[in-house]
Amino acid sequence: AQSVSQHNHHVILSEAASLELGCNYSYGGTVNLFWYVQYPGQHLQLLLKYFSGDPLVKGIKGFEAEFIKSKFSFNLRKPSVQWSDTAEYFCAVNPNSGYALNFGKGTSLLVTP
Amino acid sequence: ETGVTQTPRHLVMGMTNKKSLKCEQHLGHNAMYWYKQSAKKPLELMFVYNFKEQTENNSVPSRFSPECPNSSHLFLHLHTLQPEDSALYLCASSQGQRAGVPDTQYFGPGTRLTVL
Repeated sequence: AQSVSQHNHHVILSEAASLELGCNYSYGGTVNLFWYVQYPGQHLQLLLKYFSGDPLVKGIKGFEAEFIKSKFSFNLRKPSVQWSDTAEYFCAVNPNSGYALNFGKGTSLLVTP
Repeated sequence: ETGVTQTPRHLVMGMTNKKSLKCEQHLGHNAMYWYKQSAKKPLELMFVYNFKEQTENNSVPSRFSPECPNSSHLFLHLHTLQPEDSALYLCASSQGQRAGVPDTQYFGPGTRLTVL
């Protein structure tokens, strides 16, 4: 079955640590890729997206993600996390042929001071 | 941010009640979506309206009935729900789907539904 996998369900980091959250998908063909973030008590917000072109995309708040087509991956990175990055992070994939935005189960990130 | 608003934010209903969830987008978009977010499960797409036409019904039970009177408003009518329908219901909007053109969805804050 086609799916989106986020391997880390819970991540705890100290401030200034580097972050990498994994995302793999199993869809063939062209895909559009997204990372959304949900801060505590807030709604889902777009962090960054990849449609085409440079596979390294930069988003808001210092986040970036790299699309590696051969690995069907779109991992999220940040060199130095802050306490305010505590949130739930969702990877989502839109097969270019359809309307659906297919989400992973999310990764809960806790950044400790 | 008030691009996509949803009301009510919280709803408690009995299994025999009829209620409606409302979503409004202020972004000039042409597509609107309903998602269900349950604990420990990925967001599940329920319905898609693209230029006011329902283009996707993701095998949703008939006790959920969507309505899209115009491109800015989307409703989800609820009747005879089950306790397992308790979840966060999210609305989203986007520019509108055109073949081969990528689209980005923007989400509202959700309605937390509890079915007793």
